[in-house]
Formats: sequence, C-alpha cells, structure tokens
Amino acid sequence: GESVGLHLPTLSVQEGDNSIINCAYSNSASDYFIWYKQESGKGPQFIIDIRSNMDKRQGQRVTVLLNKTVKHLSLQIAATQPGDSAVYFCAENIGGRGSQGNLIFGKGTKLSVKP
Amino acid sequence: DAGVTQSPTHLIKTRGQHVTLRCSPISGHKSVSWYQQVLGQGPQFIFQYYEKEERGRGNFPDRFSARQFPNYSSELNVNALLLGDSALYLCASSLGPSLRGEQFFGPGTRLTVL
Repeated sequence: GESVGLHLPTLSVQEGDNSIINCAYSNSASDYFIWYKQESGKGPQFIIDIRSNMDKRQGQRVTVLLNKTVKHLSLQIAATQPGDSAVYFCAENIGGRGSQGNLIFGKGTKLSVKP
Repeated sequence: DAGVTQSPTHLIKTRGQHVTLRCSPISGHKSVSWYQQVLGQGPQFIFQYYEKEERGRGNFPDRFSARQFPNYSSELNVNALLLGDSALYLCASSLGPSLRGEQFFGPGTRLTVL
C-alpha cells in the first residue's frame, strides 16, 4: 500500500479560518518531507519542506509540524483564502546517497474554501 | 522566464501503441524527473535524470524508458501501452541532483489509452 497517506480526503473551511491538513507516513526511515499544492489543471507547486531533525517549520501563512513518534505530518494554513482551494499532497523521501531514489506522494486532500 | 513545458498537452492512443512525451526544464536546471499521476491519486515517481544520467527509477516496468539530451530536455517513452497507463504524466525540473528542495512541475501531458 501507500507509504504516505492522509486522514481526511476532503476539507471544507470558511474563508479567513485556519486550515489543518494531516498526513500519516509509515516508513520510519523517511527523513525529509514536502507539502505540495496542486490546482486544477496544473502541476504540483512546492509549499514547504521539513527535515526529520526538526519538528516545526514556518513559511508565509503556512506551518508544517512533524511528529516522528507517531509518524504524523500536518500543514497549517493561516487565514485561508479562496486561492488556497486546491489538492494538497504530502511527500516523503528516504535519505542517503545524495537523496536519490523515490519521492513518495500521498493520495491528497482536497481543500475547499467557502467565501 | 518560462517554466517547465511539456508536450503534447493531451494525447489519445490505443492499447499496444507506444508514446513519446517531451519535457523542457527551466533554463539552467539540469535535473528532470518524471511522475505518473492517476486520477484521484498522488504522483508516482518514474525516473530522475541529472546531467544526462539516470539517477533514480521508481517501480515501473521496462516498458517505461527515458532519456535526457545535452540541452537537458527529456523524453519519456512508453511501449506496449495498457489501459492502466492512462494518466497525467508530470515532468519536474530542479537545479541539482537531489529530489529534496524545490522541484518545479510542468502542467503535464494527459494520456488516454483506449
């Protein structure tokens, strides 16, 4: 099965509210994680990444939290806007040898923002 | 500055045929990766090329092959097409050889196999 999965396939939030998108991963050897946003008809767009030696990283309006104990990753979007409506994917990578190999994506969560 | 471009945007083939998909990376990027995205799923890694050498390969059959040219553009070839090959094929480019960090994705080629 998938090494990376998501708890909620769809999420609907009100404009201005905060959004939290969750992701569970199963491979304890994964040491690097990325969140991507994919709008309809477009390729994925990098949002933020985090290495396993960190448990939190902040970007512009986004925060990624990593809980290695329970193998859980979350993406928090502050003050969600209509332009945030998209499918969000988490992806994991196992380190070593110059970070070659696979970037494993989860199934995705669709975020819908209500005006 | 142009982003990653892919051609064609859409393609319809029949079972058993072969297909060639093309990708031009962002100027200056030397790494190209290919992904297959089946409807409703996340992208699945197929190949990565860096400086014309294969750097990584996902769990895909030998019917899938790729190459990278001196100008860093890339082709993905799929032989003996199956219905299950119907998907969005994404190309991503990056500066260096690592899959970590920001990869820039193209809009994809939508392949339909009938």
